[in-house]
Amino acid sequence: EIVMTQSPATLSVSPGERATLSCRASQSVSSNLAWYQQKPGQAPRLLIYGASTRATGIPARFSGSGSGTEFTLTISSLQSEDFAVYYCQQYNNWPAFGGGTKVEIK
Amino acid sequence: QVQLQESGPGLVKPSETLSLTCAVSGYSISSGYYWGWIRQPPGKGLEWIGSIYHSGSTYYNPSLKSRVTISVDTSKNQFSLKLSSVTAADTAVYYCARHVVSSGWPYYFDYWGQGTLVTVSS
Repeated sequence: EIVMTQSPATLSVSPGERATLSCRASQSVSSNLAWYQQKPGQAPRLLIYGASTRATGIPARFSGSGSGTEFTLTISSLQSEDFAVYYCQQYNNWPAFGGGTKVEIK
Repeated sequence: QVQLQESGPGLVKPSETLSLTCAVSGYSISSGYYWGWIRQPPGKGLEWIGSIYHSGSTYYNPSLKSRVTISVDTSKNQFSLKLSSVTAADTAVYYCARHVVSSGWPYYFDYWGQGTLVTVSS
């Protein structure tokens, strides 16, 4: 079983600032990693797959990087609609999600 | 536009079987992709339950495999989840989603239903 660990649990950021979220895998998942955004009362939305490829319609301010066991989601300039919980998910093995990072307004 | 909609009882008694259906519109299940179920206990993270191909081939989360059955009905363009012997720990929002596949292996989820809350309580 591959365990995905996200940090920090909560990230306080001011609008317009950069947010950097981390996701670590307990063993290598190559580039088989996706990121999702979830707002309260809504289903998750796919942001990134293949560690760095933006899904259709996702703004360029969202970028993903990393491979192996260390991954990063960067939001270059936070907009009001970006405050949400973000999850990573590996698919190198049975699909498994991280515990999430909540991005809140500072 | 691909749309998924979950349906089923919102309340299930302990030890009974949870049953949900996901109706798909805007895309034919028979055209490809895996189709999966994910759940989220209140205030917690996401857990993949299992996924099915239109042929009936399935992948299940090993931690739930003994209690899970996922089936597909291509004539109705829908797929279903059964989770047996439920306890309070199975209380969660249950989502269905389209599961992108590559080389026969399910990858990430690109379209999701809105989710349905299922509470396990007597």
